[in-house]
Amino acid sequence: EAQVTQNPRYLITVTGKKLTVTCSQNMNHEYMSWYRQDPGLGLRQIYYSMNVEVTDKGDVPEGYKVSRKEKRNFPLILESPSPNQTSLYFCASSLIGPYNEQFFGPGTRLTVL
Amino acid sequence: AQSVTQLDSQVPVFEEAPVELRCNYSSSVSVYLFWYVQYPNQGLQLLLKYLSGSTLVESINGFEAEFNKSQTSFHLRKPSVHISDTAEYFCAATGGSYIPTFGRGTSLIVHP
Repeated sequence: EAQVTQNPRYLITVTGKKLTVTCSQNMNHEYMSWYRQDPGLGLRQIYYSMNVEVTDKGDVPEGYKVSRKEKRNFPLILESPSPNQTSLYFCASSLIGPYNEQFFGPGTRLTVL
Repeated sequence: AQSVTQLDSQVPVFEEAPVELRCNYSSSVSVYLFWYVQYPNQGLQLLLKYLSGSTLVESINGFEAEFNKSQTSFHLRKPSVHISDTAEYFCAATGGSYIPTFGRGTSLIVHP
């Protein structure tokens, strides 16, 4: 089944404790991205990647890191989480091209205390 | 820079009533338009998309959207909604940059 998977689905952590949210897709997509969703603000893009070893900042990259060592994986790293990073996070992937739809993961709900 | 505006943050409606969710975009280049739906506790999934050709596009569950170039709009409509249509709806656009721009979302709340 074609899908984007994220782990964990739910995470409660404390300020300053490094964490990684994994994202994997099995559709051989070149493009992958991370979004955060907050009430009233919709989806905001954090980082995106056009291919292996190619990443770029989105609209709200501060406090986040990403890597793209393999085509299928695009982990999101919070090296020192803070309470304002409490949010719902989505990973998405697609083929390159403006006419291609985005495929989204199920989301990761992160709470930073 | 491209932008997408969803004019209503929340749309309450009674079951079996018609509904319209509004979306306007700004782009000076060719644009491709999408509507995504997010059911409670799920990720987004594609509802329908406009790439070219007929300006009216339909989804399998009764939604339709019309591309209006002169008004730069891509409003989503359904003639009769069901309780199960309660969800968050996102309009999105892509153009020359290949990176999609999303609207802030519209919460459709269907009351019995």
